Amino acid sequence: AQKVTQAQTEISVVEKEDVTLDCVYETRDTTYYLFWYKQPPSGELVFLIRRNSFDEQNEISGRYSWNFQKSTSSFNFTITASQVVDSAVYFCALSEEQGGSEKLVFGKGTKLTVNP
Amino acid sequence: DSGVTQTPKHLITATGQRVTLRCSPRSGDLSVYWYQQSLDQGLQFLIHYYNGEERAKGNILERFSAQQFPDLHSELNLSSLELGDSALYFCASSPRTAGTGELFFGEGSRLTVL
Repeated sequence: AQKVTQAQTEISVVEKEDVTLDCVYETRDTTYYLFWYKQPPSGELVFLIRRNSFDEQNEISGRYSWNFQKSTSSFNFTITASQVVDSAVYFCALSEEQGGSEKLVFGKGTKLTVNP
Repeated sequence: DSGVTQTPKHLITATGQRVTLRCSPRSGDLSVYWYQQSLDQGLQFLIHYYNGEERAKGNILERFSAQQFPDLHSELNLSSLELGDSALYFCASSPRTAGTGELFFGEGSRLTVL
C-alpha cells in the first residue's frame, strides 16, 4: 500500500532562514502524482505543487523549490528566506489509483513555525 | 479560490445527533472526494463519487454515508455522532475518475461534537 512519511513533526526557524521539509513515499505504481499542500491556521488546504512521476525536474516558484528524486523516493520542499507568513502545517501527498478512483494518501504533516 | 464550495463552514452539535455536510464541485467536475482530518488520524480518504455513482470507499464509518446528486453536488451524512467525529471534513473535486492528479479542495467544514 502507498505510504507517505514526513519525519519532521515540527520545525521552528527564524525569519530569513532557509528550511527544507522532507517527504519520503512508498508506492508500487509506475505512474503517480506527488503533491504538497499548505494548511495555514485558518484551516483550508492550499495547493502548492503537483508533480508527475515521469517528471523528475526540480521546480522553483519564487521562494519555493521542490527536489524530486525517484531513486530515493523523496520529494522534498525548500522555502528560501522564510517569512512569518510561511508558518503553517505542510502536507506531502501521493496519489493512489485503484479501480477507477484516485485518492490521495497524505503524510502526517510538518508544522513549520517561522519566528520574527 | 478552488471553485469548490462547502457548507456549512462551522457546525457545533451534540452527541447522538445527525448532520449533513454539503459540497458543490467545480463547474464541470464529475468526481467528488470526501476527506476527514482529525487529530488522531490525520487526513484520511472517506469516499469517492463519480457522476452519481460510488467509486471507492476508504475508512468511512457505517454511521456515515454520502451521495452525489444529478446536479453533481454531494452530501456527507454523519449520524449517531460521537465526540471522536469532531474533525475538519474536506471535499475535493476532479474532472475525471482518475489519472489526472487534478484535485481541488474546498475550504472544509469544521464539525464539533459536544
